Amino acid sequence: QKEVEQNSGPLSVPEGAIASLNCTYSDRVSQSFFWYRQYSGKSPELIMSIYSNGDKEDGRFTAQLNKASQYVSLLIRDSQPSDSATYLCAVLSGGSNYKLTFGKGTLLTVNP
Amino acid sequence: DTGVSQNPRHKITKRGQNVTFRCDPISEHNRLYWYRQTLGQGPEFLTYFQNEAQLEKSRLLSDRFSAERPKGSFSTLEIQRTEQGDSAMYLCASSQSNSNQPQHFGDGTRLSIL
Repeated sequence: QKEVEQNSGPLSVPEGAIASLNCTYSDRVSQSFFWYRQYSGKSPELIMSIYSNGDKEDGRFTAQLNKASQYVSLLIRDSQPSDSATYLCAVLSGGSNYKLTFGKGTLLTVNP
Repeated sequence: DTGVSQNPRHKITKRGQNVTFRCDPISEHNRLYWYRQTLGQGPEFLTYFQNEAQLEKSRLLSDRFSAERPKGSFSTLEIQRTEQGDSAMYLCASSQSNSNQPQHFGDGTRLSIL
């Protein structure tokens, strides 16, 4: 069973701080990794994709990937109350190029 | 670009009834996916279409579930003889057919079984 693990949280940070969200995955041949943001009662919204080891930055968001450690993370700089949501880590399963396996998500709360 | 569209947004029905959901993908996307999400869990893969061909069905998709994409455009997901355990958010996503392209989700259909 291919698994994606995330701390369920809640993770609480003050406004303006850096929020760090972590994810590990079990399928060593996975090649594509995604972070989705999901507000309560809403659908997942893609915020970052990463395919190569290292860092990828997009505005206040930085995704980090370490395939050797089977670890992917998301950093949110200058956190805002509007960032409060559940963040889902998703991995494109090795051997397929279509099936996403999701973690359970980490609930982030940014306190004003 | 109007995004992935799903309807209805909410469906409440009695146990044993049949329900059908519709998904309209992003127009240039050849791939279409159905996922199911329950409270406190991430979405779980149900099935996948490349154009009109259904290429994989999860073991989660019992014989009461059927999905179609007859002309390679919109898709329908039907649940027959609904059970309490079918209560969930049903999410549709679409993507371009190039490998590793991200999937974009619709707003989902929330199904409640009374």
